[in-house]
Amino acid sequence: QQQVKQSPQSLIVQKGGISIINCAYENTAFDYFPWYQQFPGKGPALLIAIRPDVSEKKEGRFTISFNKSAKQFSLHIMDSQPGDSATYFCAASILRNSGNTPLVFGKGTRLSVIA
Amino acid sequence: DAGITQSPRYKITETGRQVTLMCHQTWSHSYMFWYRQDLGHGLRLIYYSAAADITDKGEVPDGYVVSRSKTENFPLTLESATRSQTSVYFCASRVRGQGSHEQYFGPGTRLTVT
Repeated sequence: QQQVKQSPQSLIVQKGGISIINCAYENTAFDYFPWYQQFPGKGPALLIAIRPDVSEKKEGRFTISFNKSAKQFSLHIMDSQPGDSATYFCAASILRNSGNTPLVFGKGTRLSVIA
Repeated sequence: DAGITQSPRYKITETGRQVTLMCHQTWSHSYMFWYRQDLGHGLRLIYYSAAADITDKGEVPDGYVVSRSKTENFPLTLESATRSQTSVYFCASRVRGQGSHEQYFGPGTRLTVT
């Protein structure tokens, strides 16, 4: 059973447009929701993360929106640039208590920003 | 350079051979992880370790063996490689506890099993 479902698989956005990637999760115990960015030939790197006590977190052009009741969270990239072209992974884990669980990743979204 | 390194970066092996992928980190992070990345499957956890001599299975552990005798090293062994294990393998590490939750990934090892 896939615990974190990510959509779309691929996305093409015009330069300057808004890129939106969505994720849905099953396990209500999850309390940490990061997004990772991966460029070709590189390992993934943390982009931005959110805890469920807030509904939105913004860092520069990147925003996470979180809907606890719907068990969904999304990544918005404003003013998308060709340099944002990469694969994006959402993930989730349980951080509370001492037994941190490993991240569970979505299947990834390949974003292409075209000029 | 400090950080997390993987070796080799590329490996071609034959079916049935044993192959070991190495992972080394210089941060003394408690947690280390092995993932495989395949098109259409994203990142799937193979094994992870919370500390030296402590390992746990992830989502897809069959066919793999890990050990962690030292905090900084976390080798992954394919005891008898199969074509289905052709993949890109990523090692990652993280500190223990509530402070920082960021996982740092290595550059990956592209393994081809012929």
